[in-house]
Amino acid sequence: GQNIDQPTEMTATEGAIVQINCTYQTSGFNGLFWYQQHAGEAPTFLSYNVLDGLEEKGRFSSFLSRSKGYSYLLLKELQMKDSASYLCAVRDRSQAGTALIFGKGTTLSVSS
Amino acid sequence: DTAVSQTPKYLVTQMGNDKSIKCEQNLGHDTMYWYKQDSKKFLKIMFSYNNKELIINETVPNRFSPKSPDKAHLNLHINSLELGDSAVYFCASSQEDSNTEAFFGQGTRLTVV
Repeated sequence: GQNIDQPTEMTATEGAIVQINCTYQTSGFNGLFWYQQHAGEAPTFLSYNVLDGLEEKGRFSSFLSRSKGYSYLLLKELQMKDSASYLCAVRDRSQAGTALIFGKGTTLSVSS
Repeated sequence: DTAVSQTPKYLVTQMGNDKSIKCEQNLGHDTMYWYKQDSKKFLKIMFSYNNKELIINETVPNRFSPKSPDKAHLNLHINSLELGDSAVYFCASSQEDSNTEAFFGQGTRLTVV
């Protein structure tokens, strides 16, 4: 089976840096995704890691360690508009096929 | 151009009714998904379809049935609706053998009264 854990809630202030952690257990790991979801909207893609290391995209970076089953999303220079849910998702590939499995999401609140 | 579109956006219906939600993608992807997002915001996978074959069917009630007339469409039929079915349902698509992300539709907010 699959298990994905991430904190339920986090708070931060504008201009700060926040790190959202995600740990996972899966039998057929084939990549880890981070999505952002604002209230009432669809999830939108932020980043993808399939090899160990850091991927940087502007103010957002994502890190993966496959041996530890661990990833984090780093958000720099926080803005009010970054208040949203951040979803960690693992692509799991088995004999039956491929599925994108989500964690329960981390609600980030950014205050001024 | 909308990549993944689902209709309707809102659906209010009575218990016991049968309803359908439609999903279409114009990305040429070979895999489509249905997710249910409850009030706690957890995105739970319901079905995954690859090349018109159901490849993953999570433990959802058999009142829910996916129908795929072709690779670009994956519709969700729900029979005998119950109060607990109230949620937001998202359709998504991806290309299985690639390193690209899944794209989501706008969601359908289903309210069963």
